[in-house]
Amino acid sequence: GAVVSQHPSWVICKSGTSVKIECRSLDFQATTMFWYRQFPKQSLMLMATSNEGSKATYEQGVEKDKFLINHASLTLSTLTVTSAHPEDSSFYICSARDAGSANTGELFFGEGSRLTVL
Amino acid sequence: AQSVTQPDIHITVSEGASLELRCNYSYGATPYLFWYVQSPGQGLQLLLKYFSGDTLVQGIKGFEAEFKRSQSSFNLRKPSVHWSDAAEYFCAVAPISGGYNKLIFGAGTRLAVHP
Repeated sequence: GAVVSQHPSWVICKSGTSVKIECRSLDFQATTMFWYRQFPKQSLMLMATSNEGSKATYEQGVEKDKFLINHASLTLSTLTVTSAHPEDSSFYICSARDAGSANTGELFFGEGSRLTVL
Repeated sequence: AQSVTQPDIHITVSEGASLELRCNYSYGATPYLFWYVQSPGQGLQLLLKYFSGDTLVQGIKGFEAEFKRSQSSFNLRKPSVHWSDAAEYFCAVAPISGGYNKLIFGAGTRLAVHP
């Protein structure tokens, strides 16, 4: 099946710094990617929809200036957590759908990136 | 509001025993339905999905799920559990209109398997 890769898989940073997480579709093109946040022992919450070549669509309650999303190519979306604070510590997961598949094609998930802000 | 309920937060079964994980959804119309599995520190893997047709859906790793419209349920089953099945299982729904971009996940059920 198609592969979605995230990098880094694990990052620790100091409070106040910014962290960038990459999401790549390795063997397919994705016009749309999705970013989720997962707190410990909780479900995934959709943060935003990343659209190639246009602005991301954020879910209600998600700060656009805090979580910057860029989808510059058909295989790469990035999530930048700006001025990170300890409460931003979480597991961030991206997903993507093959642009060449039908509307009911499968969503493929990355392996996740664990962010710890000290 | 759209919601997905997984009533069981944690389930423990013995290896070789049968398994059923419950999922109920609240939605205006029948949505697309999914079950995903997540191993510790990993992303999600699709086990199976229901779009239409036969209400009994076969998935990978020996899992199946049955859609029951009257009960708004989509329970996941496996006749004989293996130790490697220990993981977190998420039920998810998505609206049919506009594709299934927007997945709504349940809280998850953590499965432990005793040898």
